[in-house]
Amino acid sequence: GENVEQHPSTLSVQEGDSAVIKCTYSDSASNYFPWYKQELGKRPQLIIDIRSNVGEKKDQRIAVTLNKTAKHFSLHITETQPEDSAVYFCAASPYGSGNTGKLIFGQGTTLQVKP
Amino acid sequence: DSGVTQTPKHLITATGQRVTLRCSPRSGDLSVYWYQQSLDQGLQFLIQYYNGEERAKGNILERFSAQQFPDLHSELNLSSLELGDSALYFCASSGGGFPSLASGSTDTQYFGPGTRLTVL
Repeated sequence: GENVEQHPSTLSVQEGDSAVIKCTYSDSASNYFPWYKQELGKRPQLIIDIRSNVGEKKDQRIAVTLNKTAKHFSLHITETQPEDSAVYFCAASPYGSGNTGKLIFGQGTTLQVKP
Repeated sequence: DSGVTQTPKHLITATGQRVTLRCSPRSGDLSVYWYQQSLDQGLQFLIQYYNGEERAKGNILERFSAQQFPDLHSELNLSSLELGDSALYFCASSGGGFPSLASGSTDTQYFGPGTRLTVL
């Protein structure tokens, strides 16, 4: 079935270091891969997304890479700051089942940036 | 602020009861998605409506149902509540029901603030 695996479940880095979160998906026809940041008790907020027609996308300190052959995508955060501390979710939009746009989420990564 | 609104913010009820959660999408968005977030299950897709019609179903229990009204707001009805139904319920909205590579940002989903349901 449709599945997204996310690793690691927790990640602790020093301020200024880089953080990398990786996800793999099962539906090879998935075509849309967003990343959401969720602070405690708040809504998931979209931070970056990538579509299957590109391999990499960057927005300031955040970048996402996509490897369609291997069916995995990664989030890279450089020069981390304490305010980056949150739970990060990857998601995939499976093309099958009518391509409805529903999102299948990974289990989340709790990122802690130590000052 | 994403432009998606949800009411109520908090809901406390007893087992066996029935509740209704409400969601208003961003202006112009036709699709509404419902997700359940519990501690051990992460964010789980429940159901999607597009312009008043059901478009996709996830692992939604038979005790749960939803609908989207002509003004595009949506309601999620949860009945015969159990302790395990306690969770955060989010709705999200997007522009269209059939995202494509050519459609640009229409498949971007914006989340509401959520309704925290506690079943005692």
